[in-house]
Amino acid sequence: RKEVEQDPGPFNVPEGATVAFNCTYSNSASQSFFWYRQDCRKEPKLLMSVYSSGNEDGRFTAQLNRASQYISLLIRDSKLSDSATYLCVVGGSNYKLTFGKGTLLTVNP
Amino acid sequence: DTGVSQNPRHKITKRGQNVTFRCDPISEHNRLYWYRQTLGQGPEFLTYFQNEAQLEKSRLLSDRFSAERPKGSFSTLEIQRTEQGDSAMYLCASSLIADEQYFGPGTRLTVT
Repeated sequence: RKEVEQDPGPFNVPEGATVAFNCTYSNSASQSFFWYRQDCRKEPKLLMSVYSSGNEDGRFTAQLNRASQYISLLIRDSKLSDSATYLCVVGGSNYKLTFGKGTLLTVNP
Repeated sequence: DTGVSQNPRHKITKRGQNVTFRCDPISEHNRLYWYRQTLGQGPEFLTYFQNEAQLEKSRLLSDRFSAERPKGSFSTLEIQRTEQGDSAMYLCASSLIADEQYFGPGTRLTVT
C-alpha cells in the first residue's frame, strides 16, 4: 500500500462546479497534513494545512479524519485559475513530507 | 523576491558527468529540504538539514549523491557520475514552522 494515495483523476469540470479530492494515508503516526497545488512545470505551492477540526479558506475546505486516515479537499464555485495538480501531503515526526501522486484538475469555460 | 531560489533552473549534462545544484532558502528558515520529482509523480524526499546538520537521508540518495549546507544558509546538491535515471526536477524547500515547507522553482536535470 502506498503511503499516500489520491484519486487518480484527471478531473474535468465546468466553471462554477464543486469538486472534491480524496486522499488516504497509511502511517497512523503522521502528524501534519497539507494540500499543495502545482501548476504545470512549476513548484508545489502550499494551499492549506489540514486540521482535525476542519478548515476553510474562501472557496476551499479541507477535512481530516484521523480514525479513517482520510483527508479531503473541496473546491466550491471552481474558477479557470483553479486548474492545476492538487497534491495531498502528509508529514511525520521528522518533518519529512510524503506526497501523493497528485490529481489533475481542469476547469473548463 | 524573498522566496526560495535555486540555480541553475535547467541543466543538461552527459551521462557520467558531475553536476552541482544550489539552493538559497528563505533567510530566516533554519530547515532545508531536497526533493526529487519525476513526471507524473509527487515529489520524493531526498534529505533534510536543520541549520548545518544533515539529519536524514532517504535511501533514494545513493552514494553518488551528496548534499551540504556548510554555514546553515545555502545548500548544494551534487550528483557524481550522472545516469539517465537521474533526470528529474530537483526541488529545494525551506521551513521555519514545522512542516510548512516553501518550495523553490526547482532545477530540471536532463542526462543525455
